[in-house]
Amino acid sequence: GENVEQHPSTLSVQEGDSAVIKCTYSDSASNYFPWYKQELGKRPQLIIDIRSNVGEKKDQRIAVTLNKTAKHFSLHITETQPEDSAVYFCAANSGAGSYQLTFGKGTKLSVIP
Amino acid sequence: DVKVTQSSRYLVKRTGEKVFLECVQDMDHENMFWYRQDPGLGLRLIYFSYDVKMKEKGDIPEGYSVSREKKERFSLILESASTNQTSMYLCASSSGTSNTGELFFGEGSRLTVL
Repeated sequence: GENVEQHPSTLSVQEGDSAVIKCTYSDSASNYFPWYKQELGKRPQLIIDIRSNVGEKKDQRIAVTLNKTAKHFSLHITETQPEDSAVYFCAANSGAGSYQLTFGKGTKLSVIP
Repeated sequence: DVKVTQSSRYLVKRTGEKVFLECVQDMDHENMFWYRQDPGLGLRLIYFSYDVKMKEKGDIPEGYSVSREKKERFSLILESASTNQTSMYLCASSSGTSNTGELFFGEGSRLTVL
């Protein structure tokens, strides 16, 4: 099955700096890579996703890049703000015909004011 | 807004008890999932269902079973709770017939087994 590795497990940045979280996956058939944000005590929510026919996608201060050859994808947050503090999970789907989404172990991002 | 509701936010049970965790979604989603969340281990899939009365094992199904008698409701059952099942349980739903749709999560059910 799919295996998703996520680094780092914790990340602290000063407000206004950029944050980068990296993930690798194992299944070459994977074609969908979402990122979820979970604030303390709340449910995970989708913040951005990318499909394998796209190399980069941006939404305001967040962007995701995908390198299918190397099987890795990354989340970039620019101009970080205290409200960006949360746990971020990357995920990858399994091959065609499977309903499974495999998550990374999560990155706890702390933005220091 | 999609709403996924988990019936119990906090439960305390004793070893050996049978535990039911209920999840209801109101958006007519075909797919429903049960994840377990533990610190440092992320979200791990226990079971999922892509249709009424259909179920598939996820990555960690041992010690759990599920029931989906109606499209909107997906139940997780612990036949005989054990202390290593103390965890946060998250239900989710999604639409469509593939695994490329957004997951909508419930608030979670924190289970403590003594």
